[in-house]
Amino acid sequence: AQSVTQPDIHITVSEGASLELRCNYSYGATPYLFWYVQSPGQGLQLLLKYFSGDTLVQGIKGFEAEFKRSQSSFNLRKPSVHWSDAAEYFCAVAPGGYQKVTFGTGTKLQVIP
Amino acid sequence: DAGVIQSPRHEVTEMGQEVTLRCKPISGHNSLFWYRQTMMRGLELLIYFNNNVPIDDSGMPEDRFSAKMPNASFSTLKIQPSEPRDSAVYFCASGTGPDSEKLFFGSGTQLSVL
Repeated sequence: AQSVTQPDIHITVSEGASLELRCNYSYGATPYLFWYVQSPGQGLQLLLKYFSGDTLVQGIKGFEAEFKRSQSSFNLRKPSVHWSDAAEYFCAVAPGGYQKVTFGTGTKLQVIP
Repeated sequence: DAGVIQSPRHEVTEMGQEVTLRCKPISGHNSLFWYRQTMMRGLELLIYFNNNVPIDDSGMPEDRFSAKMPNASFSTLKIQPSEPRDSAVYFCASGTGPDSEKLFFGSGTQLSVL
């Protein structure tokens, strides 16, 4: 069965600092990988996804993520964080096909001035 | 495009009452998913439909929970009888399955069972 681990429950960064959110997955083959963001009181919004090809994927809002097969990781990065990036971030994995997505438990990002 | 529409936005009920949550997926999407989000367990997939047919309901916690999708534009999640531990945010999402690459989420229903 597939699973996703987000080891950091809560992260605090200063505005303008770089950000890296960790995600490790468990799956027998190469999965579909996603990062979603959830602002307070809102549903989830897709930031980016990886299916195949270039292992460095670009997403919306200046985010990028790198798929590393050897480490079973799909970490999310942003070079300079803005206060509006404060939200909860979810990594997700799916086998493809019928899109049965499994979400990690989320990392809550706090941005301080 | 109105997106995925869920109703009600907030629901407060007493233990033992029946609760019905509603979802209207995006037109043209043929996969629909119900998720539950709590602080303790995070985001859990409860059930998903493809072409109105339930494909996997293994995430439904117990028989008190049931979901239906009578047509392509409407789905319900019912809890009968409700219990305080059912308090959570329930999300509906739709996609263009079977090779859906992206889920579109509704804004959720905040359920509080007193």
